[in-house]
Amino acid sequence: DVKVTQSSRYLVKRTGEKVFLECVQDMDHENMFWYRQDPGLGLRLIYFSYDVKMKEKGDIPEGYSVSREKKERFSLILESASTNQTSMYLCASSLRTLGYEQYFGPGTRLTVT
Amino acid sequence: QKEVEQDPGPLSVPEGAIVSLNCTYSNSAFQYFMWYRQYSRKGPELLMYTYSSGNKEDGRFTAQVDKSSKYISLFIRDSQPSDSATYLCAMTLNTGFQKLVFGTGTRLLVSP
Repeated sequence: DVKVTQSSRYLVKRTGEKVFLECVQDMDHENMFWYRQDPGLGLRLIYFSYDVKMKEKGDIPEGYSVSREKKERFSLILESASTNQTSMYLCASSLRTLGYEQYFGPGTRLTVT
Repeated sequence: QKEVEQDPGPLSVPEGAIVSLNCTYSNSAFQYFMWYRQYSRKGPELLMYTYSSGNKEDGRFTAQVDKSSKYISLFIRDSQPSDSATYLCAMTLNTGFQKLVFGTGTRLLVSP
């Protein structure tokens, strides 16, 4: 059974802080993704990675960076958190050959005050 | 205009009703069409996928794709309160393509 875990369910940070969101998957998936989910806007792709140390920008990469040092772990970094980054952050993973089947973690609700 | 349009709802139905959820899209190159279900405070999970046009059935769920109209549907027969969730449509170009384009989701409420 595929499992994607995220380091925190709820997080409260102050404006200007550096924030790290961690994601780990246990099914040897090549692809990993970070999304944010906002009411009325749906899921928007921030970054994705198709291999260790590889990364690609998604639709809204501004203000974010990522790191993938190991195949099972994908980190999202908010360099200087701002209030407009308050959101639900979802991590997902998939096999390279089955890109339509993404497995999601439970999400991290980040509030920036 | 968004690449994928989906009515946000909420859609409220009584238990046992037939539910129809829909999405329209603009990119005719999409080949794979998915429906994800998201329960409250959980991540989305893949419910069904369809390749190209046609129907696909899985128990009480039927996915339908009409590429000529750029329109996809998910039908739920004999709806149950446990079907109450947000349903997201998603599309991609092919199986190896990493990026999915999601609709905003339709919230479904099935009352006992």
